[in-house]
Order: sequence, then structure tokens, then C-alpha cells
Amino acid sequence: QKEVEQNSGPLSVPEGAIASLNCTYSDRGSQSFFWYRQYSGKSPELIMFIYSNGDKEDGRFTAQLNKASQYVSLLIRDSQPSDSATYLCAGGSTSYGKLTFGQGTILTVHP
Amino acid sequence: DAGVIQSPRHEVTEMGQEVTLRCKPISGHDYLFWYRQTMMRGLELLIYFNNNVPIDDSGMPEDRFSAKMPNASFSTLKIQPSEPRDSAVYFCASTFRGVVNEQYFGPGTRLTVT
Repeated sequence: QKEVEQNSGPLSVPEGAIASLNCTYSDRGSQSFFWYRQYSGKSPELIMFIYSNGDKEDGRFTAQLNKASQYVSLLIRDSQPSDSATYLCAGGSTSYGKLTFGQGTILTVHP
Repeated sequence: DAGVIQSPRHEVTEMGQEVTLRCKPISGHDYLFWYRQTMMRGLELLIYFNNNVPIDDSGMPEDRFSAKMPNASFSTLKIQPSEPRDSAVYFCASTFRGVVNEQYFGPGTRLTVT
């Protein structure tokens, strides 16, 4: 079993809709979670991080963390074609440096 | 400020040749990570350093791979001899312990071994 699993997608949503990306993790020692966006041919770019249970909002993005269920999600409101990318979920511990990445979910927002 | 710098951006080599990839982390960052990304396996951590010391190299696929960090501003990943299955995009990332885990990635090196 992979330590971080994402709904494999691909996910296709119409412009203006809410895109929901999900991630589960198996290591209960993971304390911090990150969402990276990766455009085709580019490097991963950090867009959100969350350490505490609950929701964290930043513009059109909301990250949700439920440590009891070992579940992380990313909601993108008012999706735009420019949001089309692969989204990588990653988990880590504050006691050491490394992150474990999921396989990624390909999101396509069509006009 | 400059981000993570990697060179070369593209490398095409023949099987059996030695390949050296280079990385300059963001100034002041004390963690450096080497990743490999392929369609089949996704983003895999190969090795990471803290204060120039290798901490975890369990992701290094085999003895053909080696990595060094001689100082805080430079690291290399070497493959010798290279094989076609090493073809991938290799990313370097860095972070500062004060914001542990928020890693910043370089542009990557696309390696093709023929």
C-alpha cells in the first residue's frame, strides 16, 4: 500500500465548477500536508499547506484535513482552464525533512 | 531571490556513459532533496541532505547512482554507467528547517539515455 494515495483521475470539470481532489495517507506520524500543482513540462509548485484539522482557505483554494480519517482534500472553486494541471498531494513530519508524494491527479477544466 | 537552479536542463546521452546533474539550492536553505519523476512511478525521492550530510538515501535505485553535497550551495547527482531505464526528469528541491517540508523545486533536468 502506498503511503499517500490520490484519486487517480483524470478529473474533468466545466469552467466555473468546483473541483474536488482527494488524498488519503497511511502514516499517522504525518503532521503536515501539502498540495503542489504541476503544469505539463514544469516543476511542482506549492499552492497550499495545512497542519491542523479543519479547513484552510486561500483565494479560490480550500484545503481540508481530517487526521482521524487520515484524509486530505483540495477544493478549487470557480475552476478556470488555467487550473488544468496535475495536482500532487504530499505528507510529511515536522521531525524530519522528507515528504511522501502521491501519484497525482490530472485535472482538466474545460470551457 | 533566485530559486533552485539546476543544470543542465536537458541531457541526452548514450547507454554506458556517465551523467552528472547539478543543483544549487536557495540560499539559506539547509535541506536539499533529489527526486526522479516518470509517468509510471510518479515523483520518487532518491536522497536528501541536511546541512550537507546525507540523511536518507534509501530511494537511490542502485549503486550506479551517487550524490554529493560538498557545500551548502552545491550538490551533484551522478549516474555511472547510465541505462535507458534511467530516462526521467530529475528534480532538485530545497527547504529551510524553519518552514519544514515546504519544499521549493528547481526546473528539473530531463535525462534521455539512448
